[in-house]
Amino acid sequence: EAQLMESGGGLVKLGGSLTISCAASGVTVSNAWMNWVRQAPGKGLEWIGRIRSESNGGTTDYAAPVRGRFSISRDDSENKVYLQMNSLEIGDTAVYYCATTVDLVATVLRLAGFDVWGQGTKVTVSS
Amino acid sequence: SYVLTQPPSVSVAPGQTARITCGGKNIGNNDVHWYHQRPGQAPVLVVYDNSDRPSGIPERFSGSNSGNTATLTISRVEAGDEADYYCQVWDKSSDRGVFGGGTKLTVL
Repeated sequence: EAQLMESGGGLVKLGGSLTISCAASGVTVSNAWMNWVRQAPGKGLEWIGRIRSESNGGTTDYAAPVRGRFSISRDDSENKVYLQMNSLEIGDTAVYYCATTVDLVATVLRLAGFDVWGQGTKVTVSS
Repeated sequence: SYVLTQPPSVSVAPGQTARITCGGKNIGNNDVHWYHQRPGQAPVLVVYDNSDRPSGIPERFSGSNSGNTATLTISRVEAGDEADYYCQVWDKSSDRGVFGGGTKLTVL
């Protein structure tokens, strides 16, 4: 069974930096399209970025609000994905989830839904 | 950027059918995915690629997508279906994921 577990969340000052991680089991991150999704307090889900599988170039895509400030990377030896967050804003306060597609029949990975999610890690940006 | 519009809330009595819509320009040209999320929990995929169900999701959950509206239909609604529901697509022109604003399903 595939599982994801985020860690590294916490309290960070406005303008500061933080890196959170997503540890995978039952799925090899280098073969997966790994996504980050966040949810601000009392708000809806917001896709913020992804890293493509190695066979698809391992490139990254980002949502407009975080492009240039956030960076997604992967450590294949540890089977982990990272989200580095710089120049943090109050509006970045959220629970951050990693999510991926593992077991969906006949789906196109580039356009797929996420059938495996982590439990989330909370990031709070304070002034 | 691509925008998905969901009604903020839908209410239904137990045993009845709930329909949650997701509007977007020519959304019928996209594959739509649906999630439910209970308070304090991670989202769970309930329908993918418009109408397919992941393993373990009851047949009561179904989806359709045409024109400018996608619909998640929940038949024989149970108290345990009470949750927030989100639709999601990929904006193929920009390779960005997009979620709808979410719909709170209340079981009366």
